[in-house]
Amino acid sequence: QVDLQESGPGLVKPSETLSLTCSVSGASISSDYWSWIRQPAGKGLEWIGRISTSGSPDYKPSLRDRVTISIDVFRNQFSLTLRSVTAADTAVYYCARDWFTMVGGLVNEAFDHWGQGSLVTVSA
Amino acid sequence: DIQMTQSPSSLSASVGDRVTITCRASQSISVHLNWYQKKAGNAPKLLIYAASRLQSGVPSRFSGSGSGTHFTLTISGLQPEDFATYFCQQSSIVPLTFGGGTRLEI
Repeated sequence: QVDLQESGPGLVKPSETLSLTCSVSGASISSDYWSWIRQPAGKGLEWIGRISTSGSPDYKPSLRDRVTISIDVFRNQFSLTLRSVTAADTAVYYCARDWFTMVGGLVNEAFDHWGQGSLVTVSA
Repeated sequence: DIQMTQSPSSLSASVGDRVTITCRASQSISVHLNWYQKKAGNAPKLLIYAASRLQSGVPSRFSGSGSGTHFTLTISGLQPEDFATYFCQQSSIVPLTFGGGTRLEI
């Protein structure tokens, strides 16, 4: 049973840094890719980026200047740091596992396990 | 970025109905298309992957089809627990992108 759990402050001041951690159980963080995804209230889902132990992280280009995703193999965790936040960064933040499958010779990627989500509000 | 456009944005239906949600990609993504169900306060749940493959544990009333730029999610025989918001997501090219969602309501 793969389980993910986000943790971190629920309130961040404008211009400061948002930091969240995702703790993984039931799977080795070294074995897969792991993503951060967010959903502002009343809006759709937005992929932020992903990481694995086998390469460099990938980020959404519009967030690349402000975001860092890192991985801690010993704690089986991965983390999100988002700098210089504004009210537009207020959202529920999810961590998820990237699941790769071979289908008809093609590799498909989907998010098969998610954390419950962590609401982060940016406000003074 | 690949833009994913879902239609309709909202849909009213009744228990037992058959409904179809459409997702279009701004460029060809082969079958790199996934569907998720999201209920308020819960994390998204993977329903369909690779356009037509049913995720383990998902009821067979859910089905997906399509390739290239046009995809559909069909729910045959709506159940009360199916009223939720549905999102498509492409995994062909980074950045991974989602559709805007379709809210399915009674």
